[in-house]
Amino acid sequence: GAGVSQSPSNKVTEKGKDVELRCDPISGHTALYWYRQSLGQGLEFLIYFQGNSAPDKSGLPSDRFSAERTGGSVSTLTIQRTQQEDSAVYLCASSAAGLGYEQYFGPGTRLTVT
Amino acid sequence: RKEVEQDPGPFNVPEGATVAFNCTYSNSASQSFFWYRQDCRKEPKLLMSVYSSGNEDGRFTAQLNRASQYISLLIRDSKLSDSATYLCVVNRPGNTPLVFGKGTRLSVIA
Repeated sequence: GAGVSQSPSNKVTEKGKDVELRCDPISGHTALYWYRQSLGQGLEFLIYFQGNSAPDKSGLPSDRFSAERTGGSVSTLTIQRTQQEDSAVYLCASSAAGLGYEQYFGPGTRLTVT
Repeated sequence: RKEVEQDPGPFNVPEGATVAFNCTYSNSASQSFFWYRQDCRKEPKLLMSVYSSGNEDGRFTAQLNRASQYISLLIRDSKLSDSATYLCVVNRPGNTPLVFGKGTRLSVIA
């Protein structure tokens, strides 16, 4: 079946602009996660959504970052007033049930802020 | 102590060698354990879950040692295509996401 998809695959933007990154989870998966990975570094957790519960935003690095999940499916991560340090790969993952279950990742969006 | 700790490597091994990685975790109440593989500039992919009794998938064997709070991954007959970063993943009890280690880099050399 279809896996997690993300768009765009690459995004180059100028410092100060806003960007939107999209994630389409695996159909039927109730949990959705956003991570960030800088070159050569580990995964940095940003935010997750579980069913209809309020999202856990504890990993968001600043108030310039926000995310929403509409209809329990597609999610959008928005970064306002982008900075050069926001340059990274943004990975989305989904899991079938509870938060202890294995996650399946999308291919990521490579964001470059110039 | 970090929640999940791995030796970053790199482990450079010849083709055909057997190599093992360990990963320690800090929360004794953790119940779910996984190994993921991440190729360069690609997303992490689930390699295998780790069960209490240990489990094997072809050339790969995963073990859990609850008493010492570590999991291990053994790769037999290493192939060039096994070159990747291997991520140790552990759950936190309660309604929280999985915790990913920073990974161990493996290079299999011809």
